[in-house]
Amino acid sequence: NAGVMQNPRHLVRRRGQEARLRCSPMKGHSHVYWYRQLPEEGLKFMVYLQKENIIDESGMPKERFSAEFPKEGPSILRIQQVVRGDSAAYFCASSQSASRSNTGELFFGEGSRLTVL
Amino acid sequence: DQQVKQNSPSLSVQEGRISILNCDYTNSMFDYFLWYKKYPAEGPTFLISISSIKDKNEDGRFTVFLNKSAKHLSLHIVPSQPGDSAVYFCAASALGDSSYKLIFGSGTRLLVRP
Repeated sequence: NAGVMQNPRHLVRRRGQEARLRCSPMKGHSHVYWYRQLPEEGLKFMVYLQKENIIDESGMPKERFSAEFPKEGPSILRIQQVVRGDSAAYFCASSQSASRSNTGELFFGEGSRLTVL
Repeated sequence: DQQVKQNSPSLSVQEGRISILNCDYTNSMFDYFLWYKKYPAEGPTFLISISSIKDKNEDGRFTVFLNKSAKHLSLHIVPSQPGDSAVYFCAASALGDSSYKLIFGSGTRLLVRP
């Protein structure tokens, strides 16, 4: 009964390269959320997806960032032309539904730590 | 504009004593609050939550208190154990279409000394 799986755990990119972070939700979960944690800060909401749909991307930077959750396969957070300020831990979470009563049952992955040189 | 604030970046307590972690919020629309615990190199794990219709919720050694008029909540851990050493995040969500969205504080690092 695997939890939320994220890979890679660590990713190093040079400025201008692309970063792709993958997230496989818990079995039976169809709701995926991405959060970003900058150094010494709390987690900040980026995007909420269901299968093949972006429900809320209000926390995503307007440029260079995109997310998808295809019918088959993991959710992917893509950062194009990375800059040093993108260095952070990116956490994926999943839930069985988005209902309020399940808010506490948001299961987080171990995160992907992106370092931009 | 930090809507959820944890003003103490760190806290150190002796094993067996009480740990009190504090959290303040500014958005009066928040009506559901959660505490997450995070170990290094791991993701946050849910600890305990409280709805705004309550002022206290207890689960074993963990109790969360909510003071709506002061927009303040606190997490009490008693007795504290060395395994409780971690970063604790307070989070909140608001009723409405975006109730799935959690707003996190910056965390408090708790160290429980043996």
